[in-house]
Formats: sequence, C-alpha cells, structure tokens
Amino acid sequence: DGGITQSPKYLFRKEGQNVTLSCEQNLNHDAMYWYRQDPGQGLRLIYYSQIVNDFQKGDIAEGYSVSREKKESFPLTVTSAQKNPTAFYLCASSPGQGVGGYQPQHFGDGTRLSIL
Amino acid sequence: QQQVKQSPQSLIVQKGGISIINCAYENTAFDYFPWYQQFPGKGPALLIAIRPDVSEKKEGRFTISFNKSAKQFSLHIMDSQPGDSATYFCAARARGNQGGKLIFGQGTELSVKP
Repeated sequence: DGGITQSPKYLFRKEGQNVTLSCEQNLNHDAMYWYRQDPGQGLRLIYYSQIVNDFQKGDIAEGYSVSREKKESFPLTVTSAQKNPTAFYLCASSPGQGVGGYQPQHFGDGTRLSIL
Repeated sequence: QQQVKQSPQSLIVQKGGISIINCAYENTAFDYFPWYQQFPGKGPALLIAIRPDVSEKKEGRFTISFNKSAKQFSLHIMDSQPGDSATYFCAARARGNQGGKLIFGQGTELSVKP
C-alpha cells in the first residue's frame, strides 16, 4: 500500500539530546512537510521541502533541522535548542507544484515525543 | 496576516443531529480550503475540500459552505454518528506559492452522543 510511514511512534528525549524522527513515503510525491501539533493549537509548520536537496523554514523552525537527500525521505531532527519539544509530530507529503489541480497533503500517523 | 480562525473548540451533538464547524480567514490570496478529520493517535485525513469559486460542495453527509465575501467557510455534518467523533481541522492554502503550504485552524473536537 502506498503511504507515509513515521517512526518511531513514541520517542523519549533526555535533556541536551538531539533526536531524529523518521518519515518515509512511497507515493512518489515531490513535496514533504513537518508539522507540530499541540493541544488547542492546530498544526504548525516546522519545515517543508518541494524537491530533493531543497527545503524551507516554516513558521516554527527554531530548534529543528531537516534534510532531503532522497525523494522518499524527510527526517526531522529535534535539537537540544528546542526547549519545549514535547508534542505530536506529523509528516505529510503532496505531489507538489506543477502537477495541476488541487493536490491534498497526505499525513503519516505521527510520532509522539516526550521529555524524560 | 495568514491566519485561519476555527470555532467552536469543542462540540457535543446527539446522534442524528447536525454538526456545524466554522472557519474564518483574512488573507484573500487563499485558493483552496480543505477539511481534515483526525482520530486519536492518527494523522489527519482529508475529508472534503472546496475552491473559492464554488459556494457549496457536498459529499455524502458532509457539506462545505463557502462565503467568499464574508471570508468564511463551514463544515456541516448531517445525521451525525458516534463514528464521526474526532477532531476536525479546517485549512487554507496560499495561492500559487510555497509548495502547497497550508495554514490550519485550531481544531474542533467533536463528540457525537448515542
């Protein structure tokens, strides 16, 4: 089945530690996105990538980093600079620009990050 | 300012009733308005979407009403069922830019009582 796989489902971080969240898609989508979800705040965009080897900051990029070395993969690193990392992290993908029409974003089932 | 305001924050409806969730925006450069449904522990899934040149779109029990002049759009769930209990997000996409970047509302937690 085509879809987006996020791993792990649950992740714990110690103080001063960097952690990396995995996101893999087999939908052949060009664009990929990372969102953070907190109760009562909806989804806020952290980073997005329209094409391999290119990415842009979203609204809350501070304390996070990404890479896009392969079309199907868009890992997110939560660095020690992110002082309040406890949240539900969602990865999404879409066909991207140039495909035509209105192409929805498809989401993975998220990773819940907690601080030890 | 790119912002989408969603209300109410939570909603309780009896089985068979109509659930109504409202969203408002300020940026007139939005060109696509999707609604997502999210169950606990899962990612959001696209429910229904509308373009600003259409005033209403219906898919089964779900209807989007769009008022371009008022910059408002709403989701109506007819004959609400307990299985509809979930969190619903409206969203808006800025026209022709930034790779399909979406701005999300704050979410509405819907509970349908049997």
